[in-house]
Amino acid sequence: SYELTQPPSVTVSPGQTASITCSGDKLGDKYASWYQQKPGQSPVVVIYQDTKRPSGIPERFSGSNSGNIATLTISGTQATDEADYYCQAWDGSTALYVFGPGTKVTVL
Amino acid sequence: QVQLVESGGGVVQTGESLRLSCTASGFTFGSSAMHWVRQAPGKGLEWVAVISYDGTEKNHGDSVKGRFTISRDNARNTLHLQMNSLRAEDTAVYYCAKVKMNSFDFWGQGTLVTVSS
Repeated sequence: SYELTQPPSVTVSPGQTASITCSGDKLGDKYASWYQQKPGQSPVVVIYQDTKRPSGIPERFSGSNSGNIATLTISGTQATDEADYYCQAWDGSTALYVFGPGTKVTVL
Repeated sequence: QVQLVESGGGVVQTGESLRLSCTASGFTFGSSAMHWVRQAPGKGLEWVAVISYDGTEKNHGDSVKGRFTISRDNARNTLHLQMNSLRAEDTAVYYCAKVKMNSFDFWGQGTLVTVSS
């Protein structure tokens, strides 16, 4: 089965840039999405189709996907960005949806 | 606005069954594929199942295949998840989610299922 890997945690200072990676075999050939989840809340999509940002998501969130790695970048990180972030891809060969294990972003 | 409201969660014993429902509003339910995603306490997200817009195609994750069944009633704008032979490891918050371009663009608030041994 298809698997995605993420670092368990990332720590960033306020105003700095946070980069969260998601790796998977030929991930660049699939579309990657990213979700933000704060404690006690449902996930919210912040990036879809690798680079697209839904309406209402701040411009400081951006994404890329190439080769085996997708990356979520948060520029000018704010305290409100502290959350768990999950990557997700669709495996066309099995028609299954896969989530990464999640990365806890701490703003310190 | 899009709303997804899950119901049916609760505490059950190992081996018992439970049926979850998700009532949708604010979009054309009968034109949208729908999913169930779960999250065990303190753990990550796990995709559970998908059903096509008309209910003719279904797919389930390996961990629930043969025990869970996704279904829908487009006349009532409702999504279901029939869960049989429940195990302790099925304890989780279950979310229904709408998908757009292979991304989950709206999620419900979730319903908690606790399987007690």
